[in-house]
Amino acid sequence: DQQVKQNSPSLSVQEGRISILNCDYTNSMFDYFLWYKKYPAEGPTFLISISSIKDKNEDGRFTVFLNKSAKHLSLHIVPSQPGDSAVYFCAAMRVTGGGNKLTFGTGTQLKVEL
Amino acid sequence: KAGVTQTPRYLIKTRGQQVTLSCSPISGHRSVSWYQQTPGQGLQFLFEYFSETQRNKGNFPGRFSGRQFSNSRSEMNVSTLELGDSALYLCASSPDSFNSPLHFGNGTRLTVT
Repeated sequence: DQQVKQNSPSLSVQEGRISILNCDYTNSMFDYFLWYKKYPAEGPTFLISISSIKDKNEDGRFTVFLNKSAKHLSLHIVPSQPGDSAVYFCAAMRVTGGGNKLTFGTGTQLKVEL
Repeated sequence: KAGVTQTPRYLIKTRGQQVTLSCSPISGHRSVSWYQQTPGQGLQFLFEYFSETQRNKGNFPGRFSGRQFSNSRSEMNVSTLELGDSALYLCASSPDSFNSPLHFGNGTRLTVT
């Protein structure tokens, strides 16, 4: 049972435009959501997170939106740069349940073209 | 601050052998988690340790085990290796304060032949 889903395995965007990566979850107990970026042969790098008490969090070019009623979150990257080309993972966890256990989506390969 | 350090980076073992992977968390981080990444299953949670105690466990067989030492360093062990255990094993650490993200190491690439 895939509790966190990223339905787009790949996304191609022109440099300077907006990249929008989507993520859906099914477990309503999740209360903390994170986005990670991953290059080949490296570990995931933390990008941005959002608590379930918020609906938006912004950090530089990265903004995460959370729609709890739809159980949907999205990552916006503006403007997109060639260095953003990587696999992006959405992850969720239950902070209130105690412990650090991330449930990951399957990832979206973002390619930013010149 | 140094990041999460995992050793070794690459490992080749044969079926039936056992292997031990090591992880040094970011200084001050008390929570250490392990994940397995495979092309077919993505990133799967193995287990988490906090203050030398296993706090969470994923759905992996008992051949997968771990431990954490008093300095927060952690090891994971896989016994009786199978071909399907070939994967990238990632360690992550966290200060375990509210809403604090996990920080990952670069992983150990295990190949079982």
